[in-house]
Amino acid sequence: NAGVTQTPKFRILKIGQSMTLQCTQDMNHNYMYWYRQDPGMGLKLIYYSVGAGITDKGEVPNGYNVSRSTTEDFPLRLELAAPSQTSVYFCASSYGGTGVDTQYFGPGTRLTVL
Amino acid sequence: GNSVTQMEGPVTLSEEAFLTINCTYTATGYPSLFWYVQYPGEGLQLLLKATKADDKGSNKGFEATYRKETTSFHLEKGSVQVSDSAVYFCALSAYPNNAGNMLTFGGGTRLMVKP
Repeated sequence: NAGVTQTPKFRILKIGQSMTLQCTQDMNHNYMYWYRQDPGMGLKLIYYSVGAGITDKGEVPNGYNVSRSTTEDFPLRLELAAPSQTSVYFCASSYGGTGVDTQYFGPGTRLTVL
Repeated sequence: GNSVTQMEGPVTLSEEAFLTINCTYTATGYPSLFWYVQYPGEGLQLLLKATKADDKGSNKGFEATYRKETTSFHLEKGSVQVSDSAVYFCALSAYPNNAGNMLTFGGGTRLMVKP
């Protein structure tokens, strides 16, 4: 049981380039999330999904796009990368969307934009 | 808005010392409270949680009690081990007042335990 997996682990981008961060979960969870973690700060929600075909914005969605074509996959797309997007990105999933549901996190992708 | 404040680190302790990491929160309604732990090179893992006032969450020797009157959820462990070295995050879910069950996190506290 792999849980939540993310690829790549590390990536360096040049300003203006684009890339897709991959996230897959094998727990048949309905909810999936993308967070970013800046140095010394807590995680902030970028986008979330409550099921296949349904996505919505979180706290900091600007500069990102997502899609959810299957239950398992929730890729995050960066268009026109900027230095402000240098961060560690975490994907998470949970079975439900209530306050008692545990979110399970992937190992993260460390992205540097130069 | 919702916010979580936790003590800044790093916290450096000797093995078998007592640990306290302070966490206070501001939230609408009656949030659920969580402690997550991040070991080096890994993602966040749920350590413990409490979903209503006066609940005590516990796991692996760690404990935290949901104190509504002081809006706190301090993490404690009686005797730390080197293997407890990690970054600890306090978080809340202000469900149903948060979009998509978003977690609001504190900034994290790095714990280093020396043999």
